[in-house]
Amino acid sequence: DAGITQSPRHKVTETGTPVTLRCHQTENHRYMYWYRQDPGHGLRLIHYSYGVKDTDKGEVSDGYSVSRSKTEDFLLTLESATSSQTSVYFCAIKGGSMYEQYFGPGTRLTVT
Amino acid sequence: EDKVVQSPLSLVVHEGDTVTLNCSYEVTNFRSLLWYKQEKKAPTFLFMLTSSGIEKKSGRLSSILDKKELFSILNITATQTGDSAVYLCAVEPSGNTPLVFGKGTRLSVIA
Repeated sequence: DAGITQSPRHKVTETGTPVTLRCHQTENHRYMYWYRQDPGHGLRLIHYSYGVKDTDKGEVSDGYSVSRSKTEDFLLTLESATSSQTSVYFCAIKGGSMYEQYFGPGTRLTVT
Repeated sequence: EDKVVQSPLSLVVHEGDTVTLNCSYEVTNFRSLLWYKQEKKAPTFLFMLTSSGIEKKSGRLSSILDKKELFSILNITATQTGDSAVYLCAVEPSGNTPLVFGKGTRLSVIA
C-alpha cells in the first residue's frame, strides 16, 4: 500500500457545506496527487503537489482547493460541496524503486 | 494535447483464454508507461515500461512497449475469474508531469 492512508474513507455531507479530505503518507515522497473517479469519466486529476507549499491544478480543479503544509499530508477541500462532487476520491504518491505512482485506498464522498 | 487510448473498452472471455489489451498514446517527451489493475477499490500497480521491446512479466501477466509505434500491450494468459477487473494504462509525459490515463478496459472472465 506504499504507506498511504486516506481519511475519512466514507462521508455523507449536505450541499453547501465545506469538506476536507486528508491524504497521509509515511515515506517522505515529494509528489502527491488528488484524483476523482466517476463512471464514464475514468480517473481525473484535481490537483497535485511537488513539495511543501508547492501545488498545481489538474484538469478538474474548479470547486476544489488543496494545501500541503508538511511533506506527509496533502489536504483536499471542497469549499462548498455540490451534488456534482459526489465521487470516489483517490490520493496518490510517486515513489517506489522506479518512481512509479501508487494510490491510496480512496474516499467515497456523497453530497446530498 | 496528450492522449491515451485503450482498446477494447470491454471484453468478456472464458477461464483459460488468453487476452491482449491495447494501449496507444500521443504525448510529448515520453518518459514511461504504466499499467494498473482496478477491482472494486483503488488501482494497483502492475508494470512500468520505459524501453521498447523489453518484456515485463509477472506470473501470467506480461507487457511490452513499442516506442516507435507508440503503443503497449498487456497480455494475460490462462485467465482466471480473479483477473476480472478494469485495466488502466497511463503515460508519464516527463519526469515532473502528472500521468495521463486512458479510460480503461473492463475485462470479465467467466467460468
